[in-house]
Amino acid sequence: EAQVTQNPRYLITVTGKKLTVTCSQNMNHEYMSWYRQDPGLGLRQIYYSMNVEVTDKGDVPEGYKVSRKEKRNFPLILESPSPNQTSLYFCASSLSWPPRGYTFGSGTRLTVV
Amino acid sequence: KQEVTQIPAALSVPEGENLVLNCSFTDSAIYNLQWFRQDPGKGLTSLLLIQSSQREQTSGRLNASLDKSSGRSTLYIAASQPGDSATYLCAVSDGNKLVFGAGTILRVKS
Repeated sequence: EAQVTQNPRYLITVTGKKLTVTCSQNMNHEYMSWYRQDPGLGLRQIYYSMNVEVTDKGDVPEGYKVSRKEKRNFPLILESPSPNQTSLYFCASSLSWPPRGYTFGSGTRLTVV
Repeated sequence: KQEVTQIPAALSVPEGENLVLNCSFTDSAIYNLQWFRQDPGKGLTSLLLIQSSQREQTSGRLNASLDKSSGRSTLYIAASQPGDSATYLCAVSDGNKLVFGAGTILRVKS
């Protein structure tokens, strides 16, 4: 089944403890991106990648890192999480750039205490 | 800066009604527009994708139109069902990212 898989689905962590949220797609998509969703602020882009080894900042990149060493994987790294990064995170992919329609993962609900 | 507005913010209708959700955007230089459905606490399910050169797309009971010059899109849902209850999100692509509206919360009463 063609899909975008995120792990974990739920995560509770403490301030300052490094964590990684994984994202993998099995559709050979070139373009991948991370979004966060917050009440009242909607969905906002964190980072995106047009292809392997090509990444760029979105609208809210502060406090996050990404890497794209393989086409299928696009992990989101929080080096020192803070409570304001508590959010619902989504990974998305598209076959090509510019994107012609996105497929989203099921989301990761992160709580930082 | 692109801004996307969705009206109404919430809608409650009896089962069987036809309904229209509205989306407007400020910059007509878009690659495409996509409508999504989101159930509470869940992921986004793509409903319809309209490329910038297209005027409408249909899938089952759903029909979406796009008027790029006026910066508007509508999602028409025919014969609504309780299972259609969800938040509907409109998003436009500027090439690098999707810009989302705040969504319309739809409740279909049985």
